Amino acid sequence: AIRMTQSPSSFSASTGDRVTITCRASQGISSYLAWYQQKPGKAPKLLIYAASTLQSGVPSRFSGSGSGTDFTLTISCLQSEDFATYYCQQYYSYPSFGPGTKVDIK
Amino acid sequence: QVQLQESGPGLVKPSQTLSLTCTVSGGSISSGSYYWSWIRQPAGKGLEWIGRIYTSGSTNYNPSLKSRVTISVDTSKNQFSLKLSSVTAADTAVYYCARTMGYSSSFYDYWGQGTLVTVSS
Repeated sequence: AIRMTQSPSSFSASTGDRVTITCRASQGISSYLAWYQQKPGKAPKLLIYAASTLQSGVPSRFSGSGSGTDFTLTISCLQSEDFATYYCQQYYSYPSFGPGTKVDIK
Repeated sequence: QVQLQESGPGLVKPSQTLSLTCTVSGGSISSGSYYWSWIRQPAGKGLEWIGRIYTSGSTNYNPSLKSRVTISVDTSKNQFSLKLSSVTAADTAVYYCARTMGYSSSFYDYWGQGTLVTVSS
């Protein structure tokens, strides 16, 4: 089984900040990685797939990069609606998710 | 716009079988190369993939749950279903159904709203 880790597990930020979340796979997964945003009481929302492809309708302030084992999600200018928990997910083998990174208001 | 909606009992007794159905609207469950999945999330915790089905009936399951899981599809009703047997309190979670783009593209672009299932006597 491929284990996904994320760092940090949580942090506080202010609107307008540039934020970066890291995801690491326990083995190489090429670019078979997706990122999701989840708000309390809601289903996750797909942001990025194939490590760097922006899902239709997702603002361009979100971007993803990486391949192999190390990946990042960047929000270039944090907006109030971006405070949420972010999950990475690999689909190189049977799907597995990272533990999540919670972004809250400083 | 594709929509998914989970339905089923919100309370299941220990050792019994959890049964949920996902109804797909806004498109045929048989169209395209989509797989249809179940994912769960215990309160305050992360996401766990349970399994997926193609409209041919082909399935894949999480090895950690495989012995207890059955996913089936009813194309005439545009639905797919989850059965999880011998449940314990550890199976208490919000259960989501979701669509994946294909076998090699198992990320989830459409999700149901989720349904809470509590395992308790």
